[in-house]
Amino acid sequence: SAVISQKPSRDICQRGTSLTIQCQVDSQVTMMFWYRQQPGQSLTLIATANQGSEATYESGFVIDKFPISRPNLTFSTLTVSNMSPEDSSIYLCSVDGTRTGNTIYFGEGSWLTVV
Amino acid sequence: RKEVEQDPGPFNVPEGATVAFNCTYSNSASQSFFWYRQDCRKEPKLLMSVYSSGNEDGRFTAQLNRASQYISLLIRDSKLSDSATYLCVVNNPAGNKLTFGGGTRVLVKP
Repeated sequence: SAVISQKPSRDICQRGTSLTIQCQVDSQVTMMFWYRQQPGQSLTLIATANQGSEATYESGFVIDKFPISRPNLTFSTLTVSNMSPEDSSIYLCSVDGTRTGNTIYFGEGSWLTVV
Repeated sequence: RKEVEQDPGPFNVPEGATVAFNCTYSNSASQSFFWYRQDCRKEPKLLMSVYSSGNEDGRFTAQLNRASQYISLLIRDSKLSDSATYLCVVNNPAGNKLTFGGGTRVLVKP
């Protein structure tokens, strides 16, 4: 499986500010995904980060709130914009482990608390 | 009805005992199924894929019942280190996306 590094691992942010999370993979991967896991909840897919084009967002998530970059096949960023306490969550970067994209592996996550 | 449903637990299991739990899914066209394990304040990690014929990995056995649309995970000879939340994951063929269940919490006690 790929080694996935996320930064920051955790942060406490003021409401109204924005934070960018970085995800670095040790090998080229086709599919990169961003998930959110709110306290006590399961994982929800935010978007698929596409290399060289705009990310594909899931229902309920928009580019203005969660802009995503994917400049190459090993790196992606997720920005959480204009944060509110409701954005306090774990944000997880993941990549596909097979050609079909069925199995995914996760980075260690970025734990954000908005105060 | 949720796409993927799990009993949240917790399942309190004596060390050395066997525990089993299920996960139901609503989309009959789903083709791929997985169990992930998530420790407290950690990222989910793939435990095992679930194949149509069922599969076993050491003390862990996964089964798929397509007729009733559920998958199961059985843990034999439970260890204290098996305490975790077990996430059921189902592939949604439309868009090739994964849907996560809410997780089943297992607590193994001495």
